[in-house]
Amino acid sequence: DTAVSQTPKYLVTQMGNDKSIKCEQNLGHDTMYWYKQDSKKFLKIMFSYNNKELIINETVPNRFSPKSPDKAHLNLHINSLELGDSAVYFCASSPPGAATNEKLFFGSGTQLSVL
Amino acid sequence: TQLLEQSPQFLSIQEGENLTVYCNSSSVFSSLQWYRQEPGEGPVLLVTVVTGGEVKKLKRLTFQFGDARKDSSLHITAAQPGDTGLYLCAGETPDSWGKLQFGAGTQVVVTP
Repeated sequence: DTAVSQTPKYLVTQMGNDKSIKCEQNLGHDTMYWYKQDSKKFLKIMFSYNNKELIINETVPNRFSPKSPDKAHLNLHINSLELGDSAVYFCASSPPGAATNEKLFFGSGTQLSVL
Repeated sequence: TQLLEQSPQFLSIQEGENLTVYCNSSSVFSSLQWYRQEPGEGPVLLVTVVTGGEVKKLKRLTFQFGDARKDSSLHITAAQPGDTGLYLCAGETPDSWGKLQFGAGTQVVVTP
């Protein structure tokens, strides 16, 4: 029944490794997002996809590559992980409409720790 | 520099007390939202306000959007331990459609 689900919940890895986070939503939404929440709880948008098409790329390093195989899935692949990548990554989705941000549904987050 | 400044950063109160959290900016927002986030979970949308001066109530929570659409407040009456959480305001400016900007949040702790 989970609306927006992301895996894994926790990810602990060494610097320099490559890792992926998966996200799926069963709400029928057209738009999906990746947000990063730092240690001070500040949430910042990274990417936004609408119906599999990239619409927002918020100057994120190109080590981060989102992929949307269909509108229900938005995965995030990170190459050459750095210490500063440690954060909680949230996937979110929103329904179609003129004000797409009126209802943002978040997953429960992936805690990434880079050692 | 954050577009939205929230205050206070932390608030600890006893059950039954009232509290107010503020969200301020020098920018005008086309809409502003409030979310509550609990540990280990994602933020959950509480309310969206779109009209200057708008007041919305959600049980014991009262949300107000400033007349100039630059600020907002969240007031909780007779707080309960279940109100504990991180309260985040988020807004969309007319020239950043699709990019929701978040404040840094106010951590509220309500003790029995």
